[in-house]
Amino acid sequence: AQTVTQSQPEMSVQEAETVTLSCTYDTSESDYYLFWYKQPPSRQMILVIRQEAYKQQNATENRFSVNFQKAAKSFSLKISDSQLGDAAMYFCAYRRRSGGGADGLTFGKGTHLIIQP
Amino acid sequence: KAGVTQTPRYLIKTRGQQVTLSCSPISGHRSVSWYQQTPGQGLQFLFEYFSETQRNKGNFPGRFSGRQFSNSRSEMNVSTLELGDSALYLCASSWGQGTGELFFGEGSRLTVL
Repeated sequence: AQTVTQSQPEMSVQEAETVTLSCTYDTSESDYYLFWYKQPPSRQMILVIRQEAYKQQNATENRFSVNFQKAAKSFSLKISDSQLGDAAMYFCAYRRRSGGGADGLTFGKGTHLIIQP
Repeated sequence: KAGVTQTPRYLIKTRGQQVTLSCSPISGHRSVSWYQQTPGQGLQFLFEYFSETQRNKGNFPGRFSGRQFSNSRSEMNVSTLELGDSALYLCASSWGQGTGELFFGEGSRLTVL
């Protein structure tokens, strides 16, 4: 079974600084997706960024970028120029592709990101 | 474009009762999946429906069931409620099965007394 590990239950960063959230996963598959989701206190889960395993290039979305190390099974999220609105729970998630479809998401336990003004 | 809509947002039940939660996906999305979120277990996959058929199922007992209608709306049902079923139930939709990106609703908060 696939597992996703987020080793940092909580992280704190000063506004405008850069923070990196860690995620490792365990799988024997070669074709899968990786995601970072953000869940603010309002609870709606929002997709931050996605990465397809076959793509070597790291995904980037504005201030958010990932460092995808497939061999090491590592998928960290870097948030640049942190803003107060970035405060939330961040979940790393894995989804195996199979037979034209995909399995359900496997989530990590989450990292609570605090932004200090 | 309306997002994923879940109803009811909050509900309280007692042990032994059953509950039905509803999810309306984003217009045009044909895949709906359900997740349970608890402080102890985190986020866990329940099941996924595509074209009215269950395509994937997580490791939950048979008390948890679901269905999808021809308009892609989905319902999940939990029978014989237990205290441990208290959770936030999240619904997510995507336009196709296995397309990767899921869009989540705000969830239904179930409390079992």
